[in-house]
Amino acid sequence: QKEVEQDPGPLSVPEGAIVSLNCTYSNSAFQYFMWYRQYSRKGPELLMYTYSSGNKEDGRFTAQVDKSSKYISLFIRDSQPSDSATYLCAMSGGAQKLVFGQGTRLTINP
Amino acid sequence: GAVVSQHPSRVICKSGTSVKIECRSLDFQATTMFWYRQFPKQSLMLMATSNEGSKATYEQGVEKDKFLINHASLTLSTLTVTSAHPEDSSFYICSARRGTGNTEAFFGQGTRLTVV
Repeated sequence: QKEVEQDPGPLSVPEGAIVSLNCTYSNSAFQYFMWYRQYSRKGPELLMYTYSSGNKEDGRFTAQVDKSSKYISLFIRDSQPSDSATYLCAMSGGAQKLVFGQGTRLTINP
Repeated sequence: GAVVSQHPSRVICKSGTSVKIECRSLDFQATTMFWYRQFPKQSLMLMATSNEGSKATYEQGVEKDKFLINHASLTLSTLTVTSAHPEDSSFYICSARRGTGNTEAFFGQGTRLTVV
């Protein structure tokens, strides 16, 4: 079993829809959670960074962490075609190195 | 967010030659940097953790004599692919965490290496 599980998709939704992306994990030591957006042939761009459980909102993006269920989510409101990319969850605990999910390929259709 | 600059963005080299990739944190100090390799449509594979002023820590299966890492300062880490072969062709990405501890991790733009 992988430490971090993420559905690779692909996920295709119409413009304006709310997108829900999520990851599950098995290591209870993880306390720091990140979501990245990666366009083709580019480095990942940090979208959200959260510590421990709870919600965090930034513009159209909301990150949720439920440590009791070992489940994290990223919601994108009012999705735009420019949001089409691969979204990667990442997390870390005592060690500094990040453990990544497989990434979900998202397409927003105009 | 903080800026991590990676150079070059693309490089083509002949088989048997060496290629150096630079990773710089432009507006913060990074005690630790990370080097990843990414294959098409796959997630990032950690190659090594680079620590300023000390030897890098390589992940299992990564040849340390082939992928030389130097972290000479708090803002610069380099990855040298030695005696490159076509199977080393890939997308290489660096990352840096601000300061120490589990802070946000920022990524460079990536380097697409093609060995011919």
